[in-house]
Amino acid sequence: AQRVTQPEKLLSVFKGAPVELKCNYSYSGSPELFWYVQYSRQRLQLLLRHISRESIKGFTADLNKGETSFHLKKPFAQEEDSAMYYCALSPLRGNKLTFGTGTQLKVEL
Amino acid sequence: ETGVTQSPTHLIKTRGQQVTLRCSSQSGHNTVSWYQQALGQGPQFIFQYYREEENGRGNFPPRFSGLQFPNYSSELNVNALELDDSALYLCASSLEGPPQETQYFGPGTRLLVL
Repeated sequence: AQRVTQPEKLLSVFKGAPVELKCNYSYSGSPELFWYVQYSRQRLQLLLRHISRESIKGFTADLNKGETSFHLKKPFAQEEDSAMYYCALSPLRGNKLTFGTGTQLKVEL
Repeated sequence: ETGVTQSPTHLIKTRGQQVTLRCSSQSGHNTVSWYQQALGQGPQFIFQYYREEENGRGNFPPRFSGLQFPNYSSELNVNALELDDSALYLCASSLEGPPQETQYFGPGTRLLVL
């Protein structure tokens, strides 16, 4: 069975501090991994996906198949990064997303 | 280009009733997925429709059913509502993959079952 685990419900950091949102997964095969973000009063939207190897809004995430992790990182947190972040996976040739329970990131001044 | 829209925004039903939720896909998208998001949880996959056919289903009972129309809009129907069906229901549209195409989410319909 596929599963995504986000161990932290809430992560609070100061502006300018590094951010790391943890995500671990279990899946028999090679999944595709995503990070979705939901800003206050906005809809869920894609932040990044491992296949693209992009940096979006300063965030990066590296797929570690050995540790089955896909942690989201940003070197310097900004106030506008405050949001709910969801890690998700899907089969490589499928569209069904399995989400974690989400981590609320709060960036304090 | 118009985004994904859902209606109604919220509604209240009583146990045992039936409900229909609607979703209008983003222009040009032919695949729609439905998710249930309970309070404090991540979205859970209900099912997906591609070109009017069901194309995958999550762990939900048959009283959850759907339709996709030729214009790619979609409905989610839930029969015999239970208290645990209270949740935010999200639809997401995408272009057919592979590889996995980006899913664009609607704002959701919040359902309360009393």
